[in-house]
Amino acid sequence: NAGVTQTPKFRILKIGQSMTLQCAQDMNHNYMYWYRQDPGMGLKLIYYSVGAGITDKGEVPNGYNVSRSTTEDFPLRLELAAPSQTSVYFCASSSHRRQRLVNTEAFFGQGTRLTVV
Amino acid sequence: QKEVEQDPGPLSVPEGAIVSLNCTYSNSAFQYFMWYRQYSRKGPELLMYTYSSGNKEDGRFTAQVDKSSKYISLFIRDSQPSDSATYLCAMNAFQKLVFGTGTRLLVSP
Repeated sequence: NAGVTQTPKFRILKIGQSMTLQCAQDMNHNYMYWYRQDPGMGLKLIYYSVGAGITDKGEVPNGYNVSRSTTEDFPLRLELAAPSQTSVYFCASSSHRRQRLVNTEAFFGQGTRLTVV
Repeated sequence: QKEVEQDPGPLSVPEGAIVSLNCTYSNSAFQYFMWYRQYSRKGPELLMYTYSSGNKEDGRFTAQVDKSSKYISLFIRDSQPSDSATYLCAMNAFQKLVFGTGTRLLVSP
């Protein structure tokens, strides 16, 4: 059981380049999230999805785009990379049942370390 | 004002000490309160979670929630060097999961 898999693990981008951070989960979770983690700043939510075809902005969505065409995959797109996007990016997934608002564990991937130069 | 406030530390303690980690929050809609542990260069892993006010114990770890004060705590008894990590509090209401900045804990042998 792989859990949440993120690729690549490391990447260096030049200013203005584009890239897609991949995230896949094999737990059939309906919720998926993208966070960025800067030193001393905790985890900030970029985008999240409550199911295939549904996405919504988090706290810091500017400069990013997402799509959720399947339950398993939730890629994050950077269109015009900027130095401010240098960070560690984490994808997470969790399972929620709307009727009972039961909270279950959010599982995280190992992260993607992105440097924009 | 941030929704969740957490002292970033670092917090340095000797092995065997009792550790207290805390978070305050401002959103009274939060219902579930969690503690994640993150080792260096790894993703966060859920340590404990509680629903509403009260205490929950799991081995050396105790999570405490006081909704009237909007204050949550994690206590670690008999701390070990292997407990050295960053501890992030997290809380959610419906679809929104919000994290604190994390407190870096260093337990020295």
